[in-house]
Amino acid sequence: DARVTQTPRHKVTEMGQEVTMRCQPILGHNTVFWYRQTMMQGLELLAYFRNRAPLDDSGMPKDRFSAEMPDATLATLKIQPSEPRDSAVYFCASGLVENEQYFGPGTRLTVT
Amino acid sequence: AQTVTQSQPEMSVQEAETVTLSCTYDTSESDYYLFWYKQPPSRQMILVIRQEAYKQQNATENRFSVNFQKAAKSFSLKISDSQLGDAAMYFCAYYDSGAGSYQLTFGKGTKLSVIP
Repeated sequence: DARVTQTPRHKVTEMGQEVTMRCQPILGHNTVFWYRQTMMQGLELLAYFRNRAPLDDSGMPKDRFSAEMPDATLATLKIQPSEPRDSAVYFCASGLVENEQYFGPGTRLTVT
Repeated sequence: AQTVTQSQPEMSVQEAETVTLSCTYDTSESDYYLFWYKQPPSRQMILVIRQEAYKQQNATENRFSVNFQKAAKSFSLKISDSQLGDAAMYFCAYYDSGAGSYQLTFGKGTKLSVIP
């Protein structure tokens, strides 16, 4: 049963600290998405990769967020420095095509 | 910009009964996809059902079916024989590839409670 995996599942950190979230897409999927879910804004796209190349990261605050795919089995989302307003659930999704996205279990981030 | 509206923030259904969740969307595209995702308390986003706009036949997946009304831009989800495990947030989502777009646009969600 192929699934998207994300680590950590929960992260509590203090303001100003660096946070790294990891995602392992389903083997063979060539599209990867990062979404953020908050009560106020709902689900928002942060970044999108196809064949490991970043095609859009316009949803991310550029000064503190960065997303990379070091290889086909790993996508990372980093926040440096973190702020309380970054508290949210961060989802990674992958797919063979953009119109079919399978989500991971999410990372719940709390920044105090 | 495309928008997705779920007008029912919360709904409830008796176990074994049928419930319908509403979704409307706004688009000027003719070729697009619609989805229903389920998010239980575990937070996992689970793809429930997918509908291609060019297909007139409504999609079904076991106890889940949709009523797709393209002209009305309506995409409702029907859950038959509701089970306790169906309790979750349900999100309607839209996708089209027009203008280089690739992201899912989500509604705000409907919280479904199942009463034993």
